[in-house]
Amino acid sequence: GAVVSQHPSRVICKSGTSVKIECRSLDFQATTMFWYRQFPKQSLMLMATSNEGSKATYEQGVEKDKFLINHASLTLSTLTVTSAHPEDSSFYICSASPQGGFNTGELFFGEGSRLTVL
Amino acid sequence: SQQGEEDPQALSIQEGENATMNCSYKTSINNLQWYRQNSGRGLVHLILIRSNEREKHSGRLRVTLDTSKKSSSLLITASRAADTASYFCATGYSSASKIIFGSGTRLSIRP
Repeated sequence: GAVVSQHPSRVICKSGTSVKIECRSLDFQATTMFWYRQFPKQSLMLMATSNEGSKATYEQGVEKDKFLINHASLTLSTLTVTSAHPEDSSFYICSASPQGGFNTGELFFGEGSRLTVL
Repeated sequence: SQQGEEDPQALSIQEGENATMNCSYKTSINNLQWYRQNSGRGLVHLILIRSNEREKHSGRLRVTLDTSKKSSSLLITASRAADTASYFCATGYSSASKIIFGSGTRLSIRP
């Protein structure tokens, strides 16, 4: 199956700093990628849809200035958590579909990035 | 809420028994998928069923879909210890190209 790589897998940072998480589709082009957030023992909450070459579409309640998403190429989307605070500590997961959208096929997920803000 | 509902939230069964998880959703869908997540890892796709399908099989997995009740079930037969994981249903909506996950079922298989 298609491979999605996410980096870093773990990051610890001080409060007030910014953290960038990368999501790469290794063997396919992804015009659309999805960013999710997951709290312990809970489900995945969709944060935003990342669209190559255009602005991301954020879900209600997600601060776009807090969670900056850039999808500069067909194989790379980045999520930057700006001025991170302890409440931003979470597991962030990206996903992508070779077909470009969920409605036509399965999603492939990165291994997730665990962010801990001290 | 974004999420669909899954039940049970947690399920513990003996190895070799069958495990059944249910998922309900809210609006019309294009398809429904089931994913598995091992603790602290990403998700792995298990099976996709389209809105015009009623049942699908893949190895020890059997998925049903009832669009009139807006519900789906995942059956894992002859469970193994390695099946221990969280299982999520995910729905794709006609109105938007995005995927919404259910609340998940934590499955534990006792050896």
